Amino acid sequence: AQSVAQPEDQVNVAEGNPLTVKCTYSVSGNPYLFWYVQYPNRGLQFLLKYITGDNLVKGSYGFEAEFNKSQTSFHLKKPSALVSDSALYFCAVRRMNRDDKIIFGKGTRLHILP
Amino acid sequence: GAGVSQSPRYKVAKRGQDVALRCDPISGHVSLFWYQQALGQGPEFLTYFQNEAQLDKSGLPSDRFFAERPEGSVSTLKIQRTQQEDSAVYLCASSGGGQGVWETQYFGPGTRLLVL
Repeated sequence: AQSVAQPEDQVNVAEGNPLTVKCTYSVSGNPYLFWYVQYPNRGLQFLLKYITGDNLVKGSYGFEAEFNKSQTSFHLKKPSALVSDSALYFCAVRRMNRDDKIIFGKGTRLHILP
Repeated sequence: GAGVSQSPRYKVAKRGQDVALRCDPISGHVSLFWYQQALGQGPEFLTYFQNEAQLDKSGLPSDRFFAERPEGSVSTLKIQRTQQEDSAVYLCASSGGGQGVWETQYFGPGTRLLVL
């Protein structure tokens, strides 16, 4: 069965500092991995995805994520946090070559402190 | 705009009422998904359509939940005899589907349902 774990309910980072939001996954076969962001009263917005190729994936708003197959992780990173990055972040996994559902983690709330 | 739209944005229902939630996917998107997001949780899969065919309804929590997409475009999620535990945000997503099975799912703003 597929699953996603986001071990931190909340992450606090000072503005200008690097940030990391952690994600590990479990899936049969090779995964497709995604990060979505959710702002208050708004739907999920796609940030980035890993399909194949380079393990470091670059996405929207300066975010990037590193796929690590041996550790089954897909941590989200940004070199310098902005206050506007404060939001709820969801990691998600989907089975490769299957047009089907995404399994989401429970989310990590990111607070960027001015 | 060209994104996924959902209506209504907010719905308050008395327990026992039937509700219908609408999703307009991105034009031309073949695949359409419904998810349920409880407060403080990640979205959970409900059901999936490819064109008008409902290919997976394994996530529907009970037979009170019913979804349709009769013309392969707009979809409606219907909940009969609503219960308080049905209170959640219902998210719709669409993707190009077809050969591009790796394509990103794009989400609508959701319908927040409150059952009193």
